[in-house]
Amino acid sequence: ELKVEQNPLFLSMQEGKNYTIYCNYSTTSDRLYWYRQDPGKSLESLFVLLSNGAVKQEGRLMASLDTKARLSTLHITAAVHDLSATYFCAVDQRNFGNEKLTFGTGTRLTIIP
Amino acid sequence: GAGVSQSPSNKVTEKGKDVELRCDPISGHTALYWYRQSLGQGLEFLIYFQGNSAPDKSGLPSDRFSAERTGGSVSTLTIQRTQQEDSAVYLCASSLGLKNTGELFFGEGSRLTVL
Repeated sequence: ELKVEQNPLFLSMQEGKNYTIYCNYSTTSDRLYWYRQDPGKSLESLFVLLSNGAVKQEGRLMASLDTKARLSTLHITAAVHDLSATYFCAVDQRNFGNEKLTFGTGTRLTIIP
Repeated sequence: GAGVSQSPSNKVTEKGKDVELRCDPISGHTALYWYRQSLGQGLEFLIYFQGNSAPDKSGLPSDRFSAERTGGSVSTLTIQRTQQEDSAVYLCASSLGLKNTGELFFGEGSRLTVL
């Protein structure tokens, strides 16, 4: 059974600092997605990583995928307050017969002034 | 709008009553998913539809939960004899599947509170 672990679960960071959220998964996958969720809201798609070595950047966020290590990272550069949210990774095994996306536990990010 | 639409957005019910939650996916999306999110928790998979078929019902927590999809479009999730532990936000998502990027597009959710 696929297990997806994110760490840290909670992260408080000061504005202007850099940090990385990690997403590890336990079995083979070739695609991974990152989502953002604001309190009381639904999930918003951030990044789609479709192959080993994929790197995507949007503003202060950059995501990467290493399928050999079964690891994705979400890097935050020079954090600003409006990045405060919960971030989820989701592992895709639809090319391996598992028809659902399996979500990580989420990382609740709080940016403090 | 062109996004995934869910109704009701909020539902408060008494223990033992039945509830129906509706999802209208993005037009043309053949895949439809239901997930459940309890307060402060991650997403728990419930069921997946491809067209009107449900190849994967493995996440339904009990036989009180059922879902159907008609016309390859609208889906209804039904919870019979609701229990307090059913209280959660029920999220619907649709996708073009692996023909495209494969990402899931989520609705705003239906918040269910069982008293």
